[in-house]
Amino acid sequence: DVKVTQSSRYLVKRTGEKVFLECVQDMDHENMFWYRQDPGLGLRLIYFSYDVKMKEKGDIPEGYSVSREKKERFSLILESASTNQTSMYLCASSFEGDLAGGFSEQFFGPGTRLTVL
Amino acid sequence: EDKVVQSPLSLVVHEGDTVTLNCSYEVTNFRSLLWYKQEKKAPTFLFMLTSSGIEKKSGRLSSILDKKELFSILNITATQTGDSAVYLCAVDGNTGNQFYFGTGTSLTVIP
Repeated sequence: DVKVTQSSRYLVKRTGEKVFLECVQDMDHENMFWYRQDPGLGLRLIYFSYDVKMKEKGDIPEGYSVSREKKERFSLILESASTNQTSMYLCASSFEGDLAGGFSEQFFGPGTRLTVL
Repeated sequence: EDKVVQSPLSLVVHEGDTVTLNCSYEVTNFRSLLWYKQEKKAPTFLFMLTSSGIEKKSGRLSSILDKKELFSILNITATQTGDSAVYLCAVDGNTGNQFYFGTGTSLTVIP
C-alpha cells in the first residue's frame, strides 16, 4: 500500500518566518510533486521532481523553493512566509511508468493546512 | 495553454438521483485522464482513462472518455450522502508525469 506522509496536518506561522513542509513516500517513486489547493482555483502545481537533486518549476513557484536530497523525501520551503501563502498544501508521488509508456496515477499525502498570520 | 475545465462547479442533489460530471481538456500530448474524489482530506483515485469509448465502472460510478471531442464524464447513479465530495479531473500531458487539474465539481447529496 502506497503511503505518502506529510510532516504536519496543521501549521500556523507568522509573516516573514521560514517554513518547511516535509513529504515522505515509501514506495520508491521517482516523481514527487507539491501542490497548493485554494477554493475555486483547484490544485495548482508549485514544484515537481523527477529524481534526487532534480527539480522543476510548476505553475506557481514564486515564493517557494524545494529540496530533494533523498529519493523518498521532498521538502517545500517558504523562505519568508506571507499571508497569501495561507493554503492547503498537498504532496503527491508517482512512479515513472514502464518503458512502453506505462501510466501512473499520483498518490497524495493527507495535506498540510498552513495559516500565515 | 494546456487547461482542464470541469462543470458544473457545484451541484446539489437528493439521495437516489443520478448525476453527470463533466471534464473537458486541451492538453498537448494527452496520455491519460484521471478522476479523483476528495472529501475533507487528500484526493483518492477513482479511474484512469486512456482509450476513447471504453467505459470504466466501479459500483455506482462509471466514466468514459471521448478523445475526439476532448472530454470525459463521470456518472454516479443512485447517489448517497457518502458521495458528497469534490470530484477532480486531471490530465496527464506526458511531460514527465505532470498532471493538469480542473478546479473540481463540488457535489452535495442531501437525504
